[in-house]
Amino acid sequence: GENVEQHPSTLSVQEGDSAVIKCTYSDSASNYFPWYKQELGKRPQLIIDIRSNVGEKKDQRIAVTLNKTAKHFSLHITETQPEDSAVYFCAAMNVVGEKLTFGTGTRLTIIP
Amino acid sequence: EAQVTQNPRYLITVTGKKLTVTCSQNMNHEYMSWYRQDPGLGLRQIYYSMNVEVTDKGDVPEGYKVSRKEKRNFPLILESPSPNQTSLYFCASSLRDTQYFGPGTRLTVL
Repeated sequence: GENVEQHPSTLSVQEGDSAVIKCTYSDSASNYFPWYKQELGKRPQLIIDIRSNVGEKKDQRIAVTLNKTAKHFSLHITETQPEDSAVYFCAAMNVVGEKLTFGTGTRLTIIP
Repeated sequence: EAQVTQNPRYLITVTGKKLTVTCSQNMNHEYMSWYRQDPGLGLRQIYYSMNVEVTDKGDVPEGYKVSRKEKRNFPLILESPSPNQTSLYFCASSLRDTQYFGPGTRLTVL
């Protein structure tokens, strides 16, 4: 089955700096890669996703890159703000409507 | 308002006492799923359903049952709960691949 590894498990960055979270996956058939943000006590919320026919996607300060050959994808947050502090999860899915496998999460702390 | 709802939100129970956590969505989504979240382990899929009467095991199905008799509902059943099932549970639904999560159910089994 699919295995998703996520690094780092914790990350602290100065406000205004950039943050990068990296994930690798094992199943070459995976073709959908979402990123979720979970604030304390809340449900995971989708912040950006990428599909295997795209190498990079950007939405304001958030971007995701995908390298299918190396089987890794990354989340980039620029100009970080205190409200970016949360736990971020990457995930991978191989067939629409089937299993979604999550990474173990990254706790991001933005230092004012 | 499009949403996924779960009930109860909090539950404390004792070992062996059967319980059901309900999940309902009003978006006419075909796909629904249950996850448990534990510290350091992320979200792990318990069961998923691609449509009515179609269910399949996720990564951690032991000790759980589900049913999908109608499209909007996907209850999670613990026939004989044990302390290792103490966790935060999330239901999710999707039309294709983007999943929308419910608010979560915090379950404690004593």
